[in-house]
Amino acid sequence: KAGVTQTPRYLIKTRGQQVTLSCSPISGHRSVSWYQQTPGQGLQFLFEYFSETQRNKGNFPGRFSGRQFSNSRSEMNVSTLELGDSALYLCASSLAGYFYNEQFFGPGTRLTVL
Amino acid sequence: KNEVEQSPQNLTAQEGEFITINCSYSVGISALHWLQQHPGGGIVSLFMLSSGKKKHGRLIATINIQEKHSSLHITASHPRDSAVYICAVIGGDSNYQLIWGAGTKLIIKP
Repeated sequence: KAGVTQTPRYLIKTRGQQVTLSCSPISGHRSVSWYQQTPGQGLQFLFEYFSETQRNKGNFPGRFSGRQFSNSRSEMNVSTLELGDSALYLCASSLAGYFYNEQFFGPGTRLTVL
Repeated sequence: KNEVEQSPQNLTAQEGEFITINCSYSVGISALHWLQQHPGGGIVSLFMLSSGKKKHGRLIATINIQEKHSSLHITASHPRDSAVYICAVIGGDSNYQLIWGAGTKLIIKP
């Protein structure tokens, strides 16, 4: 069974640009969660999608958005990039959500904002 | 004060030692996750628990809901156990947020 895949693995952008990250969950998993990991803040929850609907949301500004498609693949978008957005972005999939099941993490996308 | 506190922040031990990592939280929770992150970033879910104790191989996780405390134990530690161990609670005001601890960096020396 294929694991969680994230693309791209590495990304370099400049301030003010926007970026879209993609996450393909394990087949059969309907929940996808997104996290930001930085050395200073550790892991922080961005949002969770379940069956194409955002079910939970962390405390991030509106520049961070996401969506989920009917095949459960999810995308995360960050608009008007800031230097502080440089981080490892991780997605995790689970059958029904982190509230119910263990999560399986992808390898992450490392975003560098210059 | 962080809602989820882990201790110690760093731990170095010799191969074979019994390891304990602690997680304390200040919010009401529904459940708690323990995860392992290896150098390079890969994260693996170890346990999800809401009461009592779970065991998987050499790993044991316990939780005391009344005391708002969980522990992760590693028996017969091995250098391949070297990683960052993170606890995360499902809780907070909405009771649906996943709130992460800062992690404990464990190094097991041969």
